[in-house]
Amino acid sequence: QLQLQESGPGLVKPSETLSLTCTVSSGSISSSNYYWGWIRQPPGKGLEWIGSIYYSGNTYYNPSLKSRVTISVDTSKNQFSLKMSSVTAADTAVYYCARHQVEHFYRSTSLYYFDYWGQGTLVTVSS
Amino acid sequence: DIQMTQSPSTLSASVGDRVTITCRASQSISGWLAWYQQKPGKAPNLLIYKASSLESGVPSRFSGSGSGTEFTLTISSLQPDDFATYYCQQYNTYSFTFGPGTKVDIK
Repeated sequence: QLQLQESGPGLVKPSETLSLTCTVSSGSISSSNYYWGWIRQPPGKGLEWIGSIYYSGNTYYNPSLKSRVTISVDTSKNQFSLKMSSVTAADTAVYYCARHQVEHFYRSTSLYYFDYWGQGTLVTVSS
Repeated sequence: DIQMTQSPSTLSASVGDRVTITCRASQSISGWLAWYQQKPGKAPNLLIYKASSLESGVPSRFSGSGSGTEFTLTISSLQPDDFATYYCQQYNTYSFTFGPGTKVDIK
């Protein structure tokens, strides 16, 4: 069974950069059938998609976060990572990594839903 | 961005009840909609994709319908394990958005 596990600091200071890694096990991140995504959930609130990456490095980002977010992939370690710069208290949330289902067409790829999720990690932004 | 709304925001029901949750999109998303269940302290769990396709392993009491801008998630006979928050998610564009959630609690 595919497993995803988030890791990284649970406390980040305002204006600094949040860094998280998702390790994929019992499956290959280099599969052509999936993208890999980050989603967050502020305490007591709803879900917000942050961005998704393909094993080749191709990315899609939430336009509202794009200026502060970088997602990268390390296929040798079967991991992908999130960096979010200039964080504020509003970035305090549980951060999830997830597998993003896709379908490839002749000249494009459609991204669909998230079928496997990590357990999530709480990141608090506070001095 | 496509905005998603859900109604009701909270629903009180009893075991055995038939429950229906509505999700609406700000523009047509065809059938590109998924439903998730989330329990406190846990990650969301995929229930339905492509508006009406049941994810493997999900009980058949869950069903989805709709297209365009209006969708429904129905639980035919509510079970104790179903008390949770439910989210819809659209994937019509390359900017994926979730509804605000519907909490199903015990009446």
